[in-house]
Amino acid sequence: ETGVTQTPRHLVMGMTNKKSLKCEQHLGHNAMYWYKQSAKKPLELMFVYNFKEQTENNSVPSRFSPECPNSSHLFLHLHTLQPEDSALYLCASSQWGTTKQETQYFGPGTRLLVL
Amino acid sequence: RKEVEQDPGPFNVPEGATVAFNCTYSNSASQSFFWYRQDCRKEPKLLMSVYSSGNEDGRFTAQLNRASQYISLLIRDSKLSDSATYLCVVTQKGVLSGTYKYIFGTGTRLKVLA
Repeated sequence: ETGVTQTPRHLVMGMTNKKSLKCEQHLGHNAMYWYKQSAKKPLELMFVYNFKEQTENNSVPSRFSPECPNSSHLFLHLHTLQPEDSALYLCASSQWGTTKQETQYFGPGTRLLVL
Repeated sequence: RKEVEQDPGPFNVPEGATVAFNCTYSNSASQSFFWYRQDCRKEPKLLMSVYSSGNEDGRFTAQLNRASQYISLLIRDSKLSDSATYLCVVTQKGVLSGTYKYIFGTGTRLKVLA
């Protein structure tokens, strides 16, 4: 299944590094999302983009910086992360209609370890 | 109170058993409802949408009770391959007009035993 792809799949970085996560959706959707999933916690919504416009920023620290150059691509730029930021970062996409939104489809995730 | 609450389990059931999960949500304005399945170290995948009239897909039956604000998932004739975490998801309108957000429960872990 290649509807939503994410790279890299695994990432180890130091607290002073800068890295970027990439997500691409091939489903023609108009909305894209970043989620964080830590052990024993529910998925935490980080950012939402609709037609390249950011519509939700869920009080995410500024060390996470999203970028959405077009409706098919989404990036998450990381800098000066903390060990507690280690988690699975999931990208998703969906199609927003006029009265409701449709199912979200997830990418395989990037498993991030901050040392 | 959490926006979406689920019993984390684990539910350990023998093959062939029937098992039911419930999920409650706090926002009466929630709009759409889904069950997702997440295997260990994998991404969540849609299992089924949930409608007020109830819907069935093979061995899986989902029900929505808006008055009591809960959603259920029934799995009949459990298979070993059903072992996974089942996530309850509701959608709500976002802060900005015309936007939406998905709220996930913590998930219920199911183990089907041989």
